[in-house]
Amino acid sequence: AQTVTQSQPEMSVQEAETVTLSCTYDTSESDYYLFWYKQPPSRQMILVIRQEAYKQQNATENRFSVNFQKAAKSFSLKISDSQLGDAAMYFCAYRSSFTPDGLTFGKGTHLIIQP
Amino acid sequence: DTGVSQDPRHKITKRGQNVTFRCDPISEHNRLYWYRQTLGQGPEFLTYFQNEAQLEKSRLLSDRFSAERPKGSFSTLEIQRTEQGDSAMYLCASTLAGHNEQFFGPGTRLTVL
Repeated sequence: AQTVTQSQPEMSVQEAETVTLSCTYDTSESDYYLFWYKQPPSRQMILVIRQEAYKQQNATENRFSVNFQKAAKSFSLKISDSQLGDAAMYFCAYRSSFTPDGLTFGKGTHLIIQP
Repeated sequence: DTGVSQDPRHKITKRGQNVTFRCDPISEHNRLYWYRQTLGQGPEFLTYFQNEAQLEKSRLLSDRFSAERPKGSFSTLEIQRTEQGDSAMYLCASTLAGHNEQFFGPGTRLTVL
């Protein structure tokens, strides 16, 4: 079974600074998808960024980028120019390419933005 | 609003009662997923449907949990004989087959007294 580990329960960053959230995963599969989801307080979960394992190029979405290290099974999220609206729980998630089953999530990282 | 909706948003019940939650996916989405999220944890996958077919249900937590999607549109999740350990947020998500992004609803928060 696949597992996703987020080792940082909480991170804090000054507004306008850069922060990196860590995620490692364990799988025996060769092809899969990785995601970062954001869950603001009392609001629904939204997708921040996704990465296909067969793509070597790291995904980027505006201020959000990932560092995908397939051999190390690492998938970190970098948030540049942090904004107050970035404050939320961030979840790393995995999905197999071979079955359309649900996502496997990590425990999450609570991101605090200091004004 | 064309997003995923869930009803009710909050449910308080007494131990031993049955509860049913409803999820309305984005209209053209044929896959629908249910997750449970307990405090301090990430969502845990429970089951999913493609159209009206329930393709994975081995992850349902016990035989007290069941889900339906009778016409391939909305879905219901029922918990029978609720226990205090069932207190959690129940999330629904939908997507179109062949697409990777799952769109989540706001969740139903269940409290079992």
